[in-house]
Amino acid sequence: DAGVIQSPRHEVTEMGQEVTLRCKPISGHDYLFWYRQTMMRGLELLIYFNNNVPIDDSGMPEDRFSAKMPNASFSTLKIQPSEPRDSAVYFCASSPTGQNNQPQHFGDGTRLSIL
Amino acid sequence: GQNIDQPTEMTATEGAIVQINCTYQTSGFNGLFWYQQHAGEAPTFLSYNVLDGLEEKGRFSSFLSRSKGYSYLLLKELQMKDSASYLCAVRDVRNRDDKIIFGKGTRLHILP
Repeated sequence: DAGVIQSPRHEVTEMGQEVTLRCKPISGHDYLFWYRQTMMRGLELLIYFNNNVPIDDSGMPEDRFSAKMPNASFSTLKIQPSEPRDSAVYFCASSPTGQNNQPQHFGDGTRLSIL
Repeated sequence: GQNIDQPTEMTATEGAIVQINCTYQTSGFNGLFWYQQHAGEAPTFLSYNVLDGLEEKGRFSSFLSRSKGYSYLLLKELQMKDSASYLCAVRDVRNRDDKIIFGKGTRLHILP
């Protein structure tokens, strides 16, 4: 079975450039989550969607970050303009309806470096 | 707000037993997860507790005390492949908001 698929796996770009991260959740999963992981702050929830609708975006750092989910099989996280402090590993995760004891399934992450 | 605390690092010996503790504070507690994350990889699910008590799954067990806001992950018969970070995560449900908050993780080093 295909898991959560993220692209690209690695991204290196200069500050000021636009960065777009992509995620395909597991088919049939109604929840999609975007996380950022750094050594200092650990795994932070940025935003999550339920049935393609953003539910909680309180973790989005600032207006430079935006996320969309145009359909059940695709989501993007965009940073514009990017800054060196945005360097981190960005994970996408999905889970089935009515989480309860259903764990989140994580993609392999995108390792982002902003120079 | 939410707060999850766990030790930053621990070291144990192959074949031994280790207990990783986690304390949490949240007003909408509705379950606790443990995840394992090897370096450079994604977190993977280990266990889930919502009721007080011990859940055993092979070499790994997880305990929860809701009244104390406390959980631990117990790893027995340690193997070198158990060297990883272990993340404690709490499910926080308030009104329509239902999300999982992660601790910063405990890096476990296994010595031969």
